[in-house]
This record gives sequence, structure tokens and C-alpha cells, in this order.
Amino acid sequence: SQQGEEDPQALSIQEGENATMNCSYKTSINNLQWYRQNSGRGLVHLILIRSNEREKHSGRLRVTLDTSKKSSSLLITASRAADTASYFCARKEYGNKLVFGAGTILRVKS
Amino acid sequence: GAGVSQSPSNKVTEKGKDVELRCDPISGHTALYWYRQSLGQGLEFLIYFQGNSAPDKSGLPSDRFSAERTGGSVSTLTIQRTQQEDSAVYLCASSLGGPGPEAFFGQGTRLTVV
Repeated sequence: SQQGEEDPQALSIQEGENATMNCSYKTSINNLQWYRQNSGRGLVHLILIRSNEREKHSGRLRVTLDTSKKSSSLLITASRAADTASYFCARKEYGNKLVFGAGTILRVKS
Repeated sequence: GAGVSQSPSNKVTEKGKDVELRCDPISGHTALYWYRQSLGQGLEFLIYFQGNSAPDKSGLPSDRFSAERTGGSVSTLTIQRTQQEDSAVYLCASSLGGPGPEAFFGQGTRLTVV
């Protein structure tokens, strides 16, 4: 499959808990990006981590990248009901092709 | 424009007809991507453009699918002789050229083949 692997496929947590999503891939990458998609169609970019970076923070988001294991994780801390959405990792391959994973559906219960 | 614009937002077509989907990227964005998303699924890469050329067409599902981009701006995805399995949301995204920048998405075209 052209898509990377993401797990879990679905995650249901209580408001205030942390949510962790994982992404694995097989090719070399230039960077790895995470996007969010609310019910509806458009995707919104959340955070980008370059291949020479190991960790990055943005507000309640923390992303890690392990290029030796070809994996990344997205942590959302202190989740809110408004965080309910689908989350996708996307790898930027050399040559600028942007390929998405299968996504994780996150549900935050209030 | 202010964002990526796709038209139409919804399209219902009869099996066997041809359809054209349009994408207007953000002004100045040299990279343009097309994806297909079936209900509840991830984004399937179709094709991307750098300027007017398409370095990677590997994701196009069959020779019924084609895409072009003119003037380094507007792109059209054409599906000939549509089939029911073509029903999906078709998403377009654009970004500045180069390896770094994030992509900005349009709201997609929901295609239904009846």
C-alpha cells in the first residue's frame, strides 16, 4: 500500500486525558507532517517535523520522529471535546511527493 | 485567492459519463496535489504537479483518469467513462515549492456516480 500505517485506527478518551497516535512508514523522508480533518472535507496542517529533528512542540501538541525506526507519534495533551476529529500523518518524500497514512479517528468524550 | 478553491463542491453523474473537477490553488504555490478519499478511509494519492509538469502520476487508478495544470495555476482532474467505484471525495492541495512547506487543502469535490 502507498499509505503508511497508523495506529490505533480509532481512539476514544475522556476530556482531559492525553491522546497518542502513531505512524510508521517505509521510505526515506524529507519531513513528516500531521493533519487534522473534522467531519467534512478539508484537512488542516497541525505540525511539521524535519528528518533531522527528533521532537517538536506546538501548544498542546508534541510530535516525535525516529528515523531509524521509521516512525512518528503525535501526542495531544489535556484533550478537549473540540479535538474530536480524524488525524493523519503525511510523509514528504524526496521529490516533494506528499503521501498520507490511513488516519486515526479520535473521539473525546465530555 | 485566499485559499484553495475546488469546484464543483458536489457532482452527481451517470455511469459512463465524463467529469471534470477543477482546483484553483493559492496564488504563488508551485506544488499542487490531488487525492481521493472514500468514505471513512484515508487519502489516496493520485498525482502531483510541480509547476505545469507532473513528476509522479503513479497514483492514477486507471487510464480513465488524467490531470493537467496550465499556467502553473489551475488544475483539472478528468475522469472518463465514470464507474460507480469512482464515487468519492476528491481533494486538492497546494504548497510552496521545495521540500519544506505544509500543504493547504480545498474543501473537496464529492463525486457520486449513479
